[in-house]
Amino acid sequence: DAGITQSPRHKVTETGTPVTLRCHQTENHRYMYWYRQDPGHGLRLIHYSYGVKDTDKGEVSDGYSVSRSKTEDFLLTLESATSSQTSVYFCAISGQGNYEQYFGPGTRLTVT
Amino acid sequence: GENVEQHPSTLSVQEGDSAVIKCTYSDSASNYFPWYKQELGKGPQLIIDIRSNVGEKKDQRIAVTLNKTAKHFSLHITETQPEDSAVYFCAVKAPNAGKSTFGDGTTLTVKP
Repeated sequence: DAGITQSPRHKVTETGTPVTLRCHQTENHRYMYWYRQDPGHGLRLIHYSYGVKDTDKGEVSDGYSVSRSKTEDFLLTLESATSSQTSVYFCAISGQGNYEQYFGPGTRLTVT
Repeated sequence: GENVEQHPSTLSVQEGDSAVIKCTYSDSASNYFPWYKQELGKGPQLIIDIRSNVGEKKDQRIAVTLNKTAKHFSLHITETQPEDSAVYFCAVKAPNAGKSTFGDGTTLTVKP
């Protein structure tokens, strides 16, 4: 398995609180992604990074921000969590050619 | 942007039968077509992929076929087993694109 971990694995938080999810890789891959997965919607891209400090928006970026200060870490922040952000969040990484993606184990976030 | 449609959304087969899942895409420049398998509670895992310079690729009981003219590709699983039960996602990526586009997924159930 690719060396990719996500933390926390589960989190319950209240509406309006800030939340940060962490993705950590040991593969030195250039590309990192954050997806959310909801029933009936498959995998939807939130943000991605193509290098340190280089990020771009995906199709569902509203309400989310990201940061990548080191190759190995990609952080996803919900500035003020809402119930609509209850979901399972997956991080993925891809190497220089940006073809195969390797996914982390996911973080289940519940916003009450 | 790229549009990917995946069919069927659910598929139920008897053990030993074959299963076929199809994806269509819109961007004729796309050149990378992977399939991912997601088991319950886990992240998606790449199981097979194909590039636009080949029409078919096999790996034991699974195969992927590509028709670039018609802009569709399919996953074929032969001699299905209960452990093949999972959600399968197709994806599409164009050269120099920063991200892939995923289909909505197919839930495959293999009945013993």
